[in-house]
Amino acid sequence: GAVVSQHPSRVICKSGTSVKIECRSLDFQATTMFWYRQFPKQSLMLMATSNEGSKATYEQGVEKDKFLINHASLTLSTLTVTSAHPEDSSFYICSARQGGHEQYFGPGTRLTVT
Amino acid sequence: KQEVTQIPAALSVPEGENLVLNCSFTDSAIYNLQWFRQDPGKGLTSLLLIQSSQREQTSGRLNASLDKSSGRSTLYIAASQPGDSATYLCAVRRDRDDKIIFGKGTRLHILP
Repeated sequence: GAVVSQHPSRVICKSGTSVKIECRSLDFQATTMFWYRQFPKQSLMLMATSNEGSKATYEQGVEKDKFLINHASLTLSTLTVTSAHPEDSSFYICSARQGGHEQYFGPGTRLTVT
Repeated sequence: KQEVTQIPAALSVPEGENLVLNCSFTDSAIYNLQWFRQDPGKGLTSLLLIQSSQREQTSGRLNASLDKSSGRSTLYIAASQPGDSATYLCAVRRDRDDKIIFGKGTRLHILP
């Protein structure tokens, strides 16, 4: 199947700083990318959907000014957590899809805010 | 609003047993249904994807069925092994251009 990568796999940052997570589709053009958040022993919760070249669509309750999503190319989307706080510590997973095809998931990024 | 429910939330069985994981969804108008495996601290591994027109899919010791009209899917694991221990997630997609909605998962532990 297609491959989606995420970088970094783990990141620790101090409260109040911003951190950027990259999501790349390695062997296909991702017209749509999704960002999920997962708390321990919980399921994946969709944060936002982004189409290449368009503004992201955020799910209800997700602060768009805090979680900045950029999908500037068909192979790269970034999630920036601005002014991070300890409650933002979580596992962030991206996924990518080309048109209506199968959605492929990245390996996730563990964010810890101290 | 589509809701996906997985039962049981956790399951422990001795090695070698056959087992069934259940998934139900509230809106039967789906595009496809997918079963994933997630190991602790890891991303998702896709196990089986069933299109809305299909009734089941098989891969090795895994068999997934889909009954759209009743809003149910099952994942059957034959001859379970300790390596099957993981969280299994069921997810549905409403239509071609829509997002995937996940259930909360079943945490499976296979006892050696």
